[in-house]
Amino acid sequence: DIVMTQTPLSLSVTPGQPASISCKSSQSLLHSDGKTYLYWYLQKPGQSPQLLMYEVSNRFSGVPDRFSGSGSGTDFTLKISRVEAEDVGVYYCMQSIQLPLALTFGGGTKVQIK
Amino acid sequence: EVQLVESGGGLVKPGGSLRLSCAASGFTFNNAWMSWVRQAPGKGLEWVGRIKSKTDGGTADYAAPVKGRFTILRDDSKNTLYLQMNSLKTEDTAVYYCSTGSMLLVWGQGTLVTVSS
Repeated sequence: DIVMTQTPLSLSVTPGQPASISCKSSQSLLHSDGKTYLYWYLQKPGQSPQLLMYEVSNRFSGVPDRFSGSGSGTDFTLKISRVEAEDVGVYYCMQSIQLPLALTFGGGTKVQIK
Repeated sequence: EVQLVESGGGLVKPGGSLRLSCAASGFTFNNAWMSWVRQAPGKGLEWVGRIKSKTDGGTADYAAPVKGRFTILRDDSKNTLYLQMNSLKTEDTAVYYCSTGSMLLVWGQGTLVTVSS
């Protein structure tokens, strides 16, 4: 299976400051169809996960524009331009390129407010 | 509004069986590919499996740890997804979520399965 590695494990951020999370995959996530199958999810405390970004850099419906995704191949980054209190939780990256299908998640990055 | 509601979790002994349900509403269920994802207590997310729509073949793929023990089923007439879990192990203890597609667009609230003697 493709291994997804996230860093850091946790992050403590002052409100209004930026935050950045890295995700590296053990194999390229670029498909022959030209798409890169890398997603980001946020699991807020006590809630189910929610989709933030799909195919690296596309914000899902309702996701604020302070969230942005970038990267290619095996190296990806999720950035929050100005962290707000509602952004606390655990962020996960995920790949869906592997065939036969075997979705794999990164280990998660916990974001807290200072 | 798209809504997914899981049910059927509970306490079961090792070696036992359990069937989870996921009631879907707010979208055309019979066209949707559906997934199950689990989360052990205090741990990260783990994909369990996905089933295609019947028009796309209706087949399912599974994660290695559950292959041969778990089966994903769907009843499009009831807009309901199922996860049949057999030969349960203590390491299957987790909250089980259903979600739409392989992109996991929308998630249910989850149902807790505890496997313990």
